[in-house]
Amino acid sequence: ELKVEQNPLFLSMQEGKNYTIYCNYSTTSDRLYWYRQDPGKSLESLFVLLSNGAVKQEGRLMASLDTKARLSTLHITAAVHDLSATYFCAVAAGGTSYGKLTFGQGTILTVHP
Amino acid sequence: NAGVTQTPKFRILKIGQSMTLQCTQDMNHNYMYWYRQDPGMGLKLIYYSVGAGITDKGEVPNGYNVSRSTTEDFPLRLELAAPSQTSVYFCASSYLRGRDYEQYFGPGTRLTVT
Repeated sequence: ELKVEQNPLFLSMQEGKNYTIYCNYSTTSDRLYWYRQDPGKSLESLFVLLSNGAVKQEGRLMASLDTKARLSTLHITAAVHDLSATYFCAVAAGGTSYGKLTFGQGTILTVHP
Repeated sequence: NAGVTQTPKFRILKIGQSMTLQCTQDMNHNYMYWYRQDPGMGLKLIYYSVGAGITDKGEVPNGYNVSRSTTEDFPLRLELAAPSQTSVYFCASSYLRGRDYEQYFGPGTRLTVT
């Protein structure tokens, strides 16, 4: 059974600081997704990582994937208040997954002035 | 394109009542999914479909049923509502683009069972 764990679950940051959210998963996969969710809203796709060593960046966010370590990271650079949200990683199992995703618990990020 | 639409947005049910959550996509996607999100948690897969007439269970199917008579529609049925089914329900659809199943999520239905 595929399990996905994120840490930390809660992250309170000051504006301008850097931090990293970690996503570990338990079985072979080379398809990992990062989503953002604002309160009461649906999920917004941030990154799709499809191979070992994949790195993607968008603004102050950068995601990477290490399939051998079964680990993805979401790095936040110089945080701003607008980044406050809940961030989820999700993994598609190896083989024919039909797009089914297993989600982590989510990381609630709060950025303070 | 409207994308993935869900109705209703909110619903309160009494224990033992039944209801159907509607999901429609206008992107001609083969794959569709129902997830539930409990407070403070990630999404969990209830059922999925790989095409019209084909459905299968996900991680948490008990208490739910689905059907897929058309490519566009994937309704989720709750037969005997229980408080444990209080959750936010998200429908999603996807298509296979290379090695990626590009996912599109609906806005969600917030269900309370009392």
